[in-house]
Amino acid sequence: AQKVTQAQTEISVVEKEDVTLDCVYETRDTTYYLFWYKQPPSGELVFLIRRNSFDEQNEISGRYSWNFQKSTSSFNFTITASQVVDSAVYFCALTTNAGKSTFGDGTTLTVKP
Amino acid sequence: KAGVTQTPRYLIKTRGQQVTLSCSPISGHRSVSWYQQTPGQGLQFLFEYFSETQRNKGNFPGRFSGRQFSNSRSEMNVSTLELGDSALYLCASSLDRPSGYTFGSGTRLTVV
Repeated sequence: AQKVTQAQTEISVVEKEDVTLDCVYETRDTTYYLFWYKQPPSGELVFLIRRNSFDEQNEISGRYSWNFQKSTSSFNFTITASQVVDSAVYFCALTTNAGKSTFGDGTTLTVKP
Repeated sequence: KAGVTQTPRYLIKTRGQQVTLSCSPISGHRSVSWYQQTPGQGLQFLFEYFSETQRNKGNFPGRFSGRQFSNSRSEMNVSTLELGDSALYLCASSLDRPSGYTFGSGTRLTVV
């Protein structure tokens, strides 16, 4: 069985603050893929990043950065200098090599002006 | 290039009825997955199709079924609807697993 835990249900920050969304996963598979998605109020999930289990290199994309640590089974997501447009629900997900996907419960991020 | 298209966007059905939802993936994408999103259960994986074959199935009763056509379009069917089936149903497509999935806007199903 696999599991994805996003312990933070809701986070509220003021614009320009940095914020980190936590994601912890469990799986017995040695090959797996981790994702982050953003779901704005419109409902459509927007793909942000994919990481495979063999690639622990951290990644930065503009104001977004991801920290993948296999030793702690974590794949955390940081937004630097948050903006109001970052307000959304963010989901962390794990997909095994067999294709079974599990999503976390999501973290609702509110960025206030 | 066109995104993932789901129709209809909204649907209201009565308990006991059946419903069919449609998903047109991005051109060239052969993998289509379906998810159910509810406030209480979050996002749950329903099934995945690739080249007209179901490759994976989540833990849903047999009332939930799907299929994929030769043009990769997919349909999802729910029979004997229950109030608890009210949810946002999301479809996602990718070239193949486990590329990043592109999601559609979903179909909001309300069962009354």
